[in-house]
Amino acid sequence: DAGVIQSPRHEVTEMGQEVTLRCKPISGHNSLFWYRQTMMRGLELLIYFNNNVPIDDSGMPEDRFSAKMPNASFSTLKIQPSEPRDSAVYFCASTMDRGAQHFGDGTRLSIL
Amino acid sequence: GESVGLHLPTLSVQEGDNSIINCAYSNSASDYFIWYKQESGKGPQFIIDIRSNMDKRQGQRVTVLLNKTVKHLSLQIAATQPGDSAVYFCAENSGGSNYKLTFGKGTLLTVNP
Repeated sequence: DAGVIQSPRHEVTEMGQEVTLRCKPISGHNSLFWYRQTMMRGLELLIYFNNNVPIDDSGMPEDRFSAKMPNASFSTLKIQPSEPRDSAVYFCASTMDRGAQHFGDGTRLSIL
Repeated sequence: GESVGLHLPTLSVQEGDNSIINCAYSNSASDYFIWYKQESGKGPQFIIDIRSNMDKRQGQRVTVLLNKTVKHLSLQIAATQPGDSAVYFCAENSGGSNYKLTFGKGTLLTVNP
């Protein structure tokens, strides 16, 4: 079975550029989560959706970050404009109701 | 003082030994707990979960123990193998309509051949 699919796996871009990260959750899962992982702060929840509706975005750092889920099989996390401090690994996870979250392999983002 | 970065607890074991990784949680309302394994360059991978109406749950070579009295969770890995080397995270969910998981800082397990 296909797991959570994230793209790109790696992204290197200059500060000020727009970055779009993509996620395809596991088919049939109704909740989707975006996380950021750094050595300094560990794994942080940015936002999660339930049935395509954003439920909790309290972890989104600032207005430069936005996330959308136009349908049950696709979500994006956008950073505009990007800054060097946004460099991190970004994970997407999905689950059915309150079950165990299943993670993708992440996007390693480097902002120069 | 302020920490410069996350200082992960580490556990080093010999191949074939049993490993025990511990986790303390703070929210007494948490009723669902999960252990994840994260290898370098990969996302956290589900290992085993347990609900608060249970004290123990076993999987293949892994056992999770839950002590609600002292809010403590442990993961036991039997006959540890080099492939078990990774960072292990516990996560908790506080129930109801809240789908958020709160993750621990993680423990780095190193298995020596």
